[in-house]
Amino acid sequence: TQLLEQSPQFLSIQEGENLTVYCNSSSVFSSLQWYRQEPGEGPVLLVTVVTGGEVKKLKRLTFQFGDARKDSSLHITAAQPGDTGLYLCAGARGTYKYIFGTGTRLKVLA
Amino acid sequence: GAVVSQHPSRVICKSGTSVKIECRSLDFQATTMFWYRQFPKQSLMLMATSNEGSKATYEQGVEKDKFLINHASLTLSTLTVTSAHPEDSSFYICSAQADGYTFGSGTRLTVV
Repeated sequence: TQLLEQSPQFLSIQEGENLTVYCNSSSVFSSLQWYRQEPGEGPVLLVTVVTGGEVKKLKRLTFQFGDARKDSSLHITAAQPGDTGLYLCAGARGTYKYIFGTGTRLKVLA
Repeated sequence: GAVVSQHPSRVICKSGTSVKIECRSLDFQATTMFWYRQFPKQSLMLMATSNEGSKATYEQGVEKDKFLINHASLTLSTLTVTSAHPEDSSFYICSAQADGYTFGSGTRLTVV
């Protein structure tokens, strides 16, 4: 059973469009991370959120942690082909044992 | 930043043989490392938590006799896939806690 469900599972959009990826759970997490992974590589950490309601921005990416610390969202503004990849959320229920979400595969077309 | 090196990046082995994958923290000490498995187009599934100087903690459903983990030093954890079979073919990734959570580049294992 996957604790963290991501939606959508797949997303194909045109360059310049905006998109939002959701990460939902019935469990409370002490912290939540977002990663991007390219084929054949390990995931690369984008952000860590720890406080309920927290919003962090990383250039065109905006991350939000739900007030109850059970869910999170990733919003990308003006997507570019370089944003293509597998986006993974990961929640920690202890000190640093992270469980990964089901993943969202994004493809941005030029 | 912190770097985790994983070796080999790719390995092909015959069914029934064993394969060892190394995970090294290059510029920091890691008392805890994690091993994940990833099937094509799927997310990462945590296999086990590797603890320096003690036994690894395995997730439910992961065979500890099949996937041997040794964390003999603060910079090295190894995962040995014993008596490998084609269904063990997968992408294996390690990670360690530094300033954040750093992943190795993964090992693609193909068992033929």
